[in-house]
Amino acid sequence: AQRVTQPEKLLSVFKGAPVELKCNYSYSGSPELFWYVQYSRQRLQLLLRHISRESIKGFTADLNKGETSFHLKKPFAQEEDSAMYYCALSGPQTGANNLFFGTGTRLTVIP
Amino acid sequence: SAVISQKPSRDICQRGTSLTIQCQVDSQVTMMFWYRQQPGQSLTLIATANQGSEATYESGFVIDKFPISRPNLTFSTLTVSNMSPEDSSIYLCSVRTGVDKNIQYFGAGTRLSVL
Repeated sequence: AQRVTQPEKLLSVFKGAPVELKCNYSYSGSPELFWYVQYSRQRLQLLLRHISRESIKGFTADLNKGETSFHLKKPFAQEEDSAMYYCALSGPQTGANNLFFGTGTRLTVIP
Repeated sequence: SAVISQKPSRDICQRGTSLTIQCQVDSQVTMMFWYRQQPGQSLTLIATANQGSEATYESGFVIDKFPISRPNLTFSTLTVSNMSPEDSSIYLCSVRTGVDKNIQYFGAGTRLSVL
């Protein structure tokens, strides 16, 4: 069965420090991996996806199939990065249209 | 992208009553999704609402408890029936639209508290 694990419920870093939000997954096959973000008083929105290979708001995430990980990284955290971050995967085994979410990590960037 | 309006944004309900949540999208979409997020938990898909056919429910969710309507391509409702305190959750409407059908857009959610 598929599983998305975000080991940290809470993560605090100082402004300007590097940040890494961990995501590990379990899936038989080739899933598509996503990071969704929810800022305070805003709705859940897509931050980035592995197939795009983009940097969004300074964040990057590389899919490591060997370690089954999709960690989200940013070299210098900003206060506006404080939010709830969800790792999610999608693929045939999750149901044709289902996004399977991790439990989320709340990132706090300390000024 | 898609703009999704969901209402009510929050409600406090009595045990045994029902609440209908509305989801309106600013464009026509084939598939709409309803998620539940229980306190401290992740998002769980309740069902996929297809226009013109019965909703498809995920394991652990049944139509009698969570009836869904999808009268057209821009609107859907989810009813939480015969509520109990265990139904206290955030309920989210979501759609996939646009060129890239793998990107999902979410409504702001309905925060439901059952006393």
